[in-house]
Amino acid sequence: IQLTQFPSSLSASVGDRVTITCRASPNINIFLNWYQQKPGRAPNLLIYAASTLQSGVPSRFSGSGSGTDFTLTISSLQPEDFATYYCQQSYSAPLTFGGGTKVEIK
Amino acid sequence: EVQLVQAGAEVKKPGESLKISCKGSGYTFTRYWIGWVRQKPGKGLEWMGIIYPGDSDTRYSPSFQGQVTISADKSISTAYLEWSSLKASDTAMYYCARHVSMIRGGVADYYMDVWGKGTTVTVSS
Repeated sequence: IQLTQFPSSLSASVGDRVTITCRASPNINIFLNWYQQKPGRAPNLLIYAASTLQSGVPSRFSGSGSGTDFTLTISSLQPEDFATYYCQQSYSAPLTFGGGTKVEIK
Repeated sequence: EVQLVQAGAEVKKPGESLKISCKGSGYTFTRYWIGWVRQKPGKGLEWMGIIYPGDSDTRYSPSFQGQVTISADKSISTAYLEWSSLKASDTAMYYCARHVSMIRGGVADYYMDVWGKGTTVTVSS
């Protein structure tokens, strides 16, 4: 299953609303997860099953979508949110990740 | 606290063998799938495969089938990733990750909720 993330990178300011899109081919129902990875660190689970917030993750992160189109939204970007974000599908083996979206400081 | 502990770094020559480890603690090791994810320098994440330590059921990505071996020793709560003959192209960071599995509408869903800090593998002559 192919996952296409866009944009591949974006520049934003603290306080901005940021939206990242992940498109799946074919349909993956809600089997879509989101991870954040900071430089030199392991990925961290943010959202699973398209829209369920992982325990301990701030509520400014939210996920939506089903089928082929999914979004990760950060409602008010904070300094610690500058990182690379990956979507990952688990509808069909092998599990696959999107190419990543790097969120940089404007 | 749930943790996965990995050794920091390995430096090997092409053709050498290597086995890296991932030790779980703070949870029942035999009840969760544990898998491996590769990240080449400056690149994205690639899922390699998983093992269920309870019964050693193992699944590989076709991209890695035959290239690596995933195993686990449940007596010491440790999973392994092994190469018999390393190549320069195996140079990467390797993360282990606990996979939570649940059935949704008859389909097994997996997400990775706990990650190790990673082992850097450098293969160079």
